[in-house]
Amino acid sequence: KAGVTQTPRYLIKTRGQQVTLSCSPISGHRSVSWYQQTPGQGLQFLFEYFSETQRNKGNFPGRFSGRQFSNSRSEMNVSTLELGDSALYLCASSQNVAADTQYFGPGTRLTVL
Amino acid sequence: AQKVTQAQTEISVVEKEDVTLDCVYETRDTTYYLFWYKQPPSGELVFLIRRNSFDEQNEISGRYSWNFQKSTSSFNFTITASQVVDSAVYFCALSEKETSGSRLTFGEGTQLTVNP
Repeated sequence: KAGVTQTPRYLIKTRGQQVTLSCSPISGHRSVSWYQQTPGQGLQFLFEYFSETQRNKGNFPGRFSGRQFSNSRSEMNVSTLELGDSALYLCASSQNVAADTQYFGPGTRLTVL
Repeated sequence: AQKVTQAQTEISVVEKEDVTLDCVYETRDTTYYLFWYKQPPSGELVFLIRRNSFDEQNEISGRYSWNFQKSTSSFNFTITASQVVDSAVYFCALSEKETSGSRLTFGEGTQLTVNP
C-alpha cells in the first residue's frame, strides 16, 4: 500500500498570505490528523477529521482550519500567515478514530518570510 | 491533562553500544496507548510500537526492546548494539482513548547520535 502523501513538500510564503496544504491518507484509512512541528514548541496537534467531520481540535487560533473530503483526503488552510507559522506540518492517517496507530506522511515544510 | 516527558534531549554513543531512551507519562485515563516514533533527518515520523495500558509485557523486536512499567508511568526504549543508521530523533507519545480519540501528545524528543 502507498503511504501517506503530502503536497507540496516545500512552500515559501510571505506574511499575510494564506496557504493550503494537502494530504492523501493510506488507502482505507478514514481518520486524518494534522500536527505542527517547530523547534520551540515541538510536535503539537492541530485537528483530526473522520468521515468529513472534525472530531478533535488542538489549541490553535482560528486562522488554522481544515476539511476532509468524501475520499478521506484532507486539506488544511492557514490564513494571514505570521512568521511564527514557519514549521513542518505533518499529516497522519489511521483506520479509525479511537487511539489507532497513526502513520505519518513526509510533511510540508512551510517558510514564512 | 496528559503529558509526556523525555528528559534526555541528546544522547551520543559509539556504534555497538546499548542505549536506553527514557519516557515518563502522565494521564488520568485508565485506558490509554503509548507509542514510539523515529524521525530521521528526512522528517517523516516512522512508527515503531504501540502499547495499550492493559498490556505490561515487555516487547522485543530485533535490536529494539521496550519496557512498560505502569507503577512508575514509564515506557522506556532500548536499542541493543546500536548502529549508525539508528541516528535520529525518537519521540514517545500518548493517546487517551476516552478523551482524545486519536490525538497524540508527544514528548520533546531525544536526539540519538550513533558514532562509528
